Amino acid sequence: GEDVEQSLFLSVREGDSSVINCTYTDSSSTYLYWYKQEPGAGLQLLTYIFSNMDMKQDQRLTVLLNKKDKHLSLRIADTQTGDSAIYFCAETSGGSYIPTFGRGTSLIVHP
Amino acid sequence: DAGVIQSPRHEVTEMGQEVTLRCKPISGHNSLFWYRQTMMRGLELLIYFNNNVPIDDSGMPEDRFSAKMPNASFSTLKIQPSEPRDSAVYFCASRAAGGRGTEAFFGQGTRLTVV
Repeated sequence: GEDVEQSLFLSVREGDSSVINCTYTDSSSTYLYWYKQEPGAGLQLLTYIFSNMDMKQDQRLTVLLNKKDKHLSLRIADTQTGDSAIYFCAETSGGSYIPTFGRGTSLIVHP
Repeated sequence: DAGVIQSPRHEVTEMGQEVTLRCKPISGHNSLFWYRQTMMRGLELLIYFNNNVPIDDSGMPEDRFSAKMPNASFSTLKIQPSEPRDSAVYFCASRAAGGRGTEAFFGQGTRLTVV
């Protein structure tokens, strides 16, 4: 299986909360990230969490980490049409800290 | 800083031709990554440089692919000869020293189409 797995699509109504899930296999992962990719653009870091944390909140974004289950989630409160994008989960581990990415979740926000 | 700069933004070439993709990392960053993005395989790491030295090239698909980093401000990814299955978006990313939780900054990507 893949090192980092995500569902490929998520559709939500504007104003609702979105929850994007990610699972990873490397128990030595030290940092976990959420990146956002808008059409025709590169990836931009949204937030990251260190593996000794359970939760991190940043305005509309909440990251939850369940290290036992190797599960990471990103919750976007009050989702807006501008949040429509592809969201990538990534992890780094080992001495080189090379980011390994999931395949990305396409978030579609409809009125 | 202008961020990571990649050129060209789009490249269309015929099968068998040589293709060179270019990347200028953010000044002061000491790590550079080349990734390839396709619908089928997602975002794959091709090669990772640290202080201009290739550290991990296990993701380079085959001998047709080569990458260089002659100095801290420039890297190239070359495909020779190119094939239609190489069609993808190629991203360059750079990162400052410190590694661990430091953010990798991505360029806008080069969309390569091999016909």
